[in-house]
Amino acid sequence: GAVVSQHPSRVICKSGTSVKIECRSLDFQATTMFWYRQFPKQSLMLMATSNEGSKATYEQGVEKDKFLINHASLTLSTLTVTSAHPEDSSFYICSARGEFTEAFFGQGTRLTVV
Amino acid sequence: AQKVTQAQTEISVVEKEDVTLDCVYETRDTTYYLFWYKQPPSGELVFLIRRNSFDEQNEISGRYSWNFQKSTSSFNFTITASQVVDSAVYFCALSEDNYGQNFVFGPGTRLSVLP
Repeated sequence: GAVVSQHPSRVICKSGTSVKIECRSLDFQATTMFWYRQFPKQSLMLMATSNEGSKATYEQGVEKDKFLINHASLTLSTLTVTSAHPEDSSFYICSARGEFTEAFFGQGTRLTVV
Repeated sequence: AQKVTQAQTEISVVEKEDVTLDCVYETRDTTYYLFWYKQPPSGELVFLIRRNSFDEQNEISGRYSWNFQKSTSSFNFTITASQVVDSAVYFCALSEDNYGQNFVFGPGTRLSVLP
């Protein structure tokens, strides 16, 4: 099946710094990418949807200036958590789909802000 | 609005027991798609099954089986002869299209299979 690679799998950063998470589709062109957030022992909540070459659509309650999403190519989307704080610590997971393919999930990134 | 409920937060069984994970959904769409994913401790989501709203046939894949009952808006998942490797969080999800656009995930059921 198609593979979506997410990097890094774990990251620890200091409060106030920014951290970038990458999501790559390895063997298909991802026209749409999704970013989810999962708090411990909770479900996945959709943060935003991005289509290649256009601005991301954020879900209600998600700060677009805090969580910058870039989908500049058909194989790469990035999520940058700006000025991270401990409450941003979470598991972030992306998924990608092609024009006529199902969505495939990345391995997830565990962010810890200290 | 779409909603997925998984009433069982945590289940513990002993190896070789059968276990059923419940999933109840709400949607106003006539066409929709239901999914089950497994999330092991490593965190990645493992796709298990996709079913569209027009296909109410039950499905069996090895030790896994799914029971789709449109009349009760349920899509339950049964693991037969459970194994320790089945221990994970299982999510039921609803999507408006076949490709997983705009997933709505249930809260998940944490399954522990004890040796």
